[in-house]
Amino acid sequence: EAQVTQNPRYLITVTGKKLTVTCSQNMNHEYMSWYRQDPGLGLRQIYYSMNVEVTDKGDVPEGYKVSRKEKRNFPLILESPSPNQTSLYFCASSLSMGGEQYFGPGTRLTVT
Amino acid sequence: ELKVEQNPLFLSMQEGKNYTIYCNYSTTSDRLYWYRQDPGKSLESLFVLLSNGAVKQEGRLMASLDTKARLSTLHITAAVHDLSATYFCAVEEVGNDMRFGAGTRLTVKP
Repeated sequence: EAQVTQNPRYLITVTGKKLTVTCSQNMNHEYMSWYRQDPGLGLRQIYYSMNVEVTDKGDVPEGYKVSRKEKRNFPLILESPSPNQTSLYFCASSLSMGGEQYFGPGTRLTVT
Repeated sequence: ELKVEQNPLFLSMQEGKNYTIYCNYSTTSDRLYWYRQDPGKSLESLFVLLSNGAVKQEGRLMASLDTKARLSTLHITAAVHDLSATYFCAVEEVGNDMRFGAGTRLTVKP
């Protein structure tokens, strides 16, 4: 089944404790992206990647890192999480930039 | 900076009625997307509009794009309860990031 998976789905952590949210797609998509969703703000793009080893900042990249060492994986790293990073995070992929995006199930992160 | 504005943000309609959701954006772009999100769920792609004048229809939903007016519309025909969800438009500036509207929460009442 074609899908985008994210792990974990739920995470509660404390300020400053490094964490990684994984994202994987099995559709051989070139384009992958991370978003955060906050009430009243819609989705805001954090980082995106047009292909392996190519990543670019989105609208709200501060406090986040990403890597794209393999085509299928695009992990989101929070080196020192803060409470303002409490949010719902979605990973998405598409065949190329400008294509229909497929979203993962979301990761609800709480930073205390 | 690319801004995307949707309106209305909240829409309550009766079954059987028609209505339109508007998506305005601030810079030149010919790539516009519509997504649906059910409560507690992820986003589902509805339409991809890639050129001026593009019109796509799926069931009771029809989306159009006017790049000169920097406007996309999502028209709902004869609404049914199953269409209750939040609808997002998103605009991609070529070579740049994707910007989403704040979303329109649609409630269809019997």
